[in-house]
Amino acid sequence: LAKTTQPISMDSYEGQEVNITCSHNNIATNDYITWYQQFPSQGPRFIIQGYKTKVTNEVASLFIPADRKSSTLSLPRVSLSDTAVYYCLVGGEYGNKLVFGAGTILRVKS
Amino acid sequence: KAGVTQTPRYLIKTRGQQVTLSCSPISGHRSVSWYQQTPGQGLQFLFEYFSETQRNKGNFPGRFSGRQFSNSRSEMNVSTLELGDSALYLCASSLVGGGPPGELFFGEGSRLTVL
Repeated sequence: LAKTTQPISMDSYEGQEVNITCSHNNIATNDYITWYQQFPSQGPRFIIQGYKTKVTNEVASLFIPADRKSSTLSLPRVSLSDTAVYYCLVGGEYGNKLVFGAGTILRVKS
Repeated sequence: KAGVTQTPRYLIKTRGQQVTLSCSPISGHRSVSWYQQTPGQGLQFLFEYFSETQRNKGNFPGRFSGRQFSNSRSEMNVSTLELGDSALYLCASSLVGGGPPGELFFGEGSRLTVL
C-alpha cells in the first residue's frame, strides 16, 4: 500500500492561498489521490480526487505532477472555518483499503 | 437526502464486554467501510463491505468483526473489549463499487469508552 507523507501542521492567515503537499513515492499505477478534511468530533469530508495533472472544483485544486510521486492540495483564500485536519490518501479501485496518513493540521488565523 | 447514520453516538463499556455498532448508509450506497480513530494511531481502516461481502480487511485482531445486511446497513462488533479499544468508530458509505475510489461519505461516529 502506498504510504503518504504530509507536513504535521501549517499556519496561515485569512484570505491567503494555502498549499499542502503530500508525498507518495510508491504510488501504484491504479492508485488515485484523494483529499479529505476533518473537523473535531466529525467524520472526514471529501474535498477532491484526481489521477494526474490538475483537478479543480468549487473549493480546491489538486495538482499532480507527471511522475505522480507527490500531489498538492491548494485552498484559495482560506477563512477561519478552514481550520481543520487535512488528509491525503492514495488508493486504487474501491475495494482496496484506503489508508489515512497522519494528516496536516491547518490553523487559519485572523 | 439523509446522510450516514451511526448508532449509538456514545457508549461506555467495561473490559471484557462486547459491543455492537450500527451504520445506515446513504440510500443507494452499497459499499460500507469502517474506521477506528484514536489520538495515537489516527484513522485506521477496519473493513469494507460491498453487497453483503467483506472485500477488504485491515490489520485488526479477530475480535473485530462486521457484517452487512441485504439493505446495505452494516454492523461491527468488538468482543472481549480492551482499554485500547476506546476510540471513535467511523462508518463511511460509497456509491461506487468499482473503478475510482469515489467519494466516501462519513457518519459522525460512535465514540466508545472502555473502562
